[in-house]
Amino acid sequence: DAKTTQPNSMESNEEEPVHLPCNHSTISGTDYIHWYRQLPSQGPEYVIHGLTSNVNNRMASLAIAEDRKSSTLILHRATLRDAAVYYCILRAYLSGSARQLTFGSGTQLTVLP
Amino acid sequence: EAGVTQFPSHSVIEKGQTVTLRCDPISGHDNLYWYRRVMGKEIKFLLHFVKESKQDESGMPNNRFLAERTGGTYSTLKVQPAELEDSGVYFCASSYTDRSVGPLHFGNGTRLTVT
Repeated sequence: DAKTTQPNSMESNEEEPVHLPCNHSTISGTDYIHWYRQLPSQGPEYVIHGLTSNVNNRMASLAIAEDRKSSTLILHRATLRDAAVYYCILRAYLSGSARQLTFGSGTQLTVLP
Repeated sequence: EAGVTQFPSHSVIEKGQTVTLRCDPISGHDNLYWYRRVMGKEIKFLLHFVKESKQDESGMPNNRFLAERTGGTYSTLKVQPAELEDSGVYFCASSYTDRSVGPLHFGNGTRLTVT
């Protein structure tokens, strides 16, 4: 599985934008970039995914570099409820089937009031 | 819609005993996955069902673990006999299809403690 690299931790102030980086220099053409987050005592929660183009949804935006070797998850206005571990995951799509998620260690986001 | 539910939320058993974890996926989701996080480690994939068939069981650690999904609805994960290193949080996830890269929906996990 192609590997991702994320900072271990980041801090943000409440109501400010947060940019969570992810490097994936060995990404292949069949890998989709997924982001999940895990709040304390809960299971992972899907945030967003993309292949080549930038993506927006109600939770966040995903900015993907032109060479696809890095991406950034953008939370437009962090709230205290966004404090979580954020995982950047490459999910392979092979032979018409999406493969399982491979979790790394993620980025622990702390939101300061 | 109801989310993925797992039962029990916590289980404490002694080494050598048997434990069965249950997962009810979102209704209509053909794909069901089991993951686990053991102490201090990353979340690891265990196996993937498509309906009642095991699509990928490459992550199952050894033959003390048995997963079933009779009828393609709920799934059980049995650990027999349990060992100390099996302690951790076991997550179940489901998705409508694996023919697209849509989201997996996770339950809140079962925390297993083996003493």
